[in-house]
This record gives sequence, C-alpha cells and structure tokens, in this order.
Amino acid sequence: SQTIHQWPATLVQPVGSPLSLECTVEGTSNPNLYWYRQAAGRGLQLLFYSVGIGQISSEVPQNLSASRPQDRQFILSSKKLLLSDSGFYLCAFSSPPFSYGYTFGSGTRLTVV
Amino acid sequence: ELKVEQNPLFLSMQEGKNYTIYCNYSTTSDRLYWYRQDPGKSLESLFVLLSNGAVKQEGRLMASLDTKARLSTLHITAAVHDLSATYFCAVDRMTGNQFYFGTGTSLTVIP
Repeated sequence: SQTIHQWPATLVQPVGSPLSLECTVEGTSNPNLYWYRQAAGRGLQLLFYSVGIGQISSEVPQNLSASRPQDRQFILSSKKLLLSDSGFYLCAFSSPPFSYGYTFGSGTRLTVV
Repeated sequence: ELKVEQNPLFLSMQEGKNYTIYCNYSTTSDRLYWYRQDPGKSLESLFVLLSNGAVKQEGRLMASLDTKARLSTLHITAAVHDLSATYFCAVDRMTGNQFYFGTGTSLTVIP
C-alpha cells in the first residue's frame, strides 16, 4: 500500500534559525510531490511541487526552498526563519495515473518564536 | 487561473438537520475531490468524482458533480456531532500537475 511519512510533527524554532522538514513516500514510483502551508484557520497555500527528481516548481516567492534528492523524498528548507513562516505544513503526493487525488502526510506544526 | 469557491465558509447546524455545501470552479475540469480536516489534523480523502453526473455516498455524506455547471455539492443528511470538521473541495486541471483547493467550509454540528 502507498503511505507517506512526514516529520517532525511539531517544531518550535527561533527567528533566524534554519529549517528542514522531510517527507518520504512508500509503495509507489514517480509520484508528484507537494508542500502546502496552512495558516491558523485558513485555507491551503501551495508552496512547491515536484514531478521528478531535481524538478521543483515554486508557486509563491518566499523564504523557503524545496528539494527532491530522491524519487520518493521531498524536503522543505529555510536558511533563516521568519515569524511569518509559522503554520501547519503538509506534504502530499499523487501517484500515476494521477486521477485519484492527493494523499496527505500527517503535517508539521511549526511555530517560529 | 482556476478559481474554486466554496460556500458557505462557516456552517453551524443542529444535529438531525440536512444541509448542502457548494463548490464552484471557474474552468473546465472533469475531476473533483472532497477532503475532510479535523482540527489540528491533516486532510483525509472523502470522495473522488471523476465524471459528469458522478455521485458518491458514504454514511451521512453524499457528493455529486455537474461538470457542465462547474458545480459539486456535498450533502449532509441528519447531521451528527462527529461530522464537525472543515471540508475542502479540490479541482484537478487535467493539463496540469496540481490541484486547486477551495477555501474550506467549517462545519459545526450542535447537539
């Protein structure tokens, strides 16, 4: 079966510190991978998506970057966190033939202090 | 750009009542998805609607898709407290690689 793992579940980081969130997928090959952010009580904002190793599309200019070093690994990073980076970060994937929607990870709640 | 609008944004309803959440989208798409999000949790897939006229039902929830009207509905029958959550619809633009999510409908079922 196809599964997605995202960690850590919660994170409290000071302003100006680096960030690394990781997401891995099992049970499928060549997935599309996505990072979303959700501010408190708000909708979903697509940050990055990837259709293959090393292929990253950025939807919103910001303080974050993403990388896909392996087919089923997706990493969200920042060199220096801002207060506005706080939120709930969700990784998701869709599998070929990409008709059945996304499967979301369990999420990371990031608080920048 | 594809736009997805949900209404209402907030819904408070009594147990036992029926209600419908609407999802309108702005461009042609034959695939629509409904998700549920409990507070502080991730999104869980509810329904996948892949063609015009598709209807899916699970328990007290029923979703339908009218691609000509660019409209999907999520109907709640005889609501119970356990249905309290935020519901998102999402549309898949067939030529792209991403979904477009609605703003979400926060549902509270009052005993």
